Amino acid sequence: DAGVIQSPRHEVTEMGQEVTLRCKPISGHNSLFWYRQTMMRGLELLIYFNNNVPIDDSGMPEDRFSAKMPNASFSTLKIQPSEPRDSAVYFCASSHQGSEDTQYFGPGTRLTVL
Amino acid sequence: GQQLNQSPQSMFIQEGEDVSMNCTSSSIFNTWLWYKQDPGEGPVLLIALYKAGELTSNGRLTAQFGITRKDSFLNISASIPSDVGIYFCAGRMSGGTSYGKLTFGQGTILTVHP
Repeated sequence: DAGVIQSPRHEVTEMGQEVTLRCKPISGHNSLFWYRQTMMRGLELLIYFNNNVPIDDSGMPEDRFSAKMPNASFSTLKIQPSEPRDSAVYFCASSHQGSEDTQYFGPGTRLTVL
Repeated sequence: GQQLNQSPQSMFIQEGEDVSMNCTSSSIFNTWLWYKQDPGEGPVLLIALYKAGELTSNGRLTAQFGITRKDSFLNISASIPSDVGIYFCAGRMSGGTSYGKLTFGQGTILTVHP
């Protein structure tokens, strides 16, 4: 079975550019999570969705960040405009509703903003 | 917000040695989890603990949910080279807006010398 799929795996962009990260959760999972990992702050939850509806976006750093889940099999995390301090690894994870502890993580997108 | 203090930050051990790491919190968690992250990959769930005092094993791994619900430890017995990676504890509070939201520790970097 395919796990969580993220694209791209690596992204290098210049400050001010728009960045879009993509995630396909595991089929049948109805909870989806976006995390950011940095050396300084570790793993931080940015936002999570349940049945395509955002439940908690309190971790989103600022208005430059936005996330959508138009259907059960696709989500995007957008940063506009990007800044060097956004450089990090961004993970998407999914789980069954009621089993949110068992989150399956994707391989991550390593974002570098120059 | 909640913070998890994970220690040690890093460990360098010889193959065959036992390993112990722990996590403490100023807040009470209803679930404790331990994840492992290999280089270039997302975290993978190792063990989940749901009850204070619970002791659970998964092969050479053993984890316990502290009776105060503010701490947990993970032991690895007879370490092997493939145990190398970053180990994260995570806690979850149940109910309300915290549902589904994991708080992660800073991680313990484990290096095993053959």
